[in-house]
Amino acid sequence: AQSVTQLGSHVSVSEGALVLLRCNYSSSVPPYLFWYVQYPNQGLQLLLKYTTGATLVKGINGFEAEFKKSETSFHLTKPSAHMSDAAEYFCAVSDRGGRDDKIIFGKGTRLHILP
Amino acid sequence: DGGITQSPKYLFRKEGQNVTLSCEQNLNHDAMYWYRQDPGQGLRLIYYSQIVNDFQKGDIAEGYSVSREKKESFPLTVTSAQKNPTAFYLCASSIPTSQETQYFGPGTRLLVL
Repeated sequence: AQSVTQLGSHVSVSEGALVLLRCNYSSSVPPYLFWYVQYPNQGLQLLLKYTTGATLVKGINGFEAEFKKSETSFHLTKPSAHMSDAAEYFCAVSDRGGRDDKIIFGKGTRLHILP
Repeated sequence: DGGITQSPKYLFRKEGQNVTLSCEQNLNHDAMYWYRQDPGQGLRLIYYSQIVNDFQKGDIAEGYSVSREKKESFPLTVTSAQKNPTAFYLCASSIPTSQETQYFGPGTRLLVL
């Protein structure tokens, strides 16, 4: 069965600094991987996803993530943080080994941007 | 504009009362999902439906019930058997294949009086 671990429930970075949110996954089959963002009291919005092909995936708002099979990782990065990036971020893996098509979410990382 | 709507935004439940949360989508998606979100616990799957008139229990189905009579609608009932219902509830829909994005509604916050 697939699983996702997000390292750090809270991450703080200064405005203009690099953002790095860590995600490791466990999967017995080639994974489909996702990053979602949630702003306060709202639903989740897809940032980016990896299915096949190029391992560096670019998403919205300047975010990108790299699928590293050898490290079972899918870390999310952004070169320069903006105040509007403050939100909660969820890494997810598709449950391809299961009977139905479900997504398994990590517990989330709340990103704080310091002025 | 295509999307998912959830209502109400806030809902209050009294002791022993059943309440129903609405979820409607006009994206023509076959699959729909209900999640419960608690602080620090991420999203936990309550129920999901891959097709009309069929649904499956998720990881935390006890105390909840659903129906899927129409493709567009997937209401969730929080029954009196759910002893700790206070949470943020999110509905999502997708094309039912593993690589497809789930699209989320804005959520309903359920509070107990």
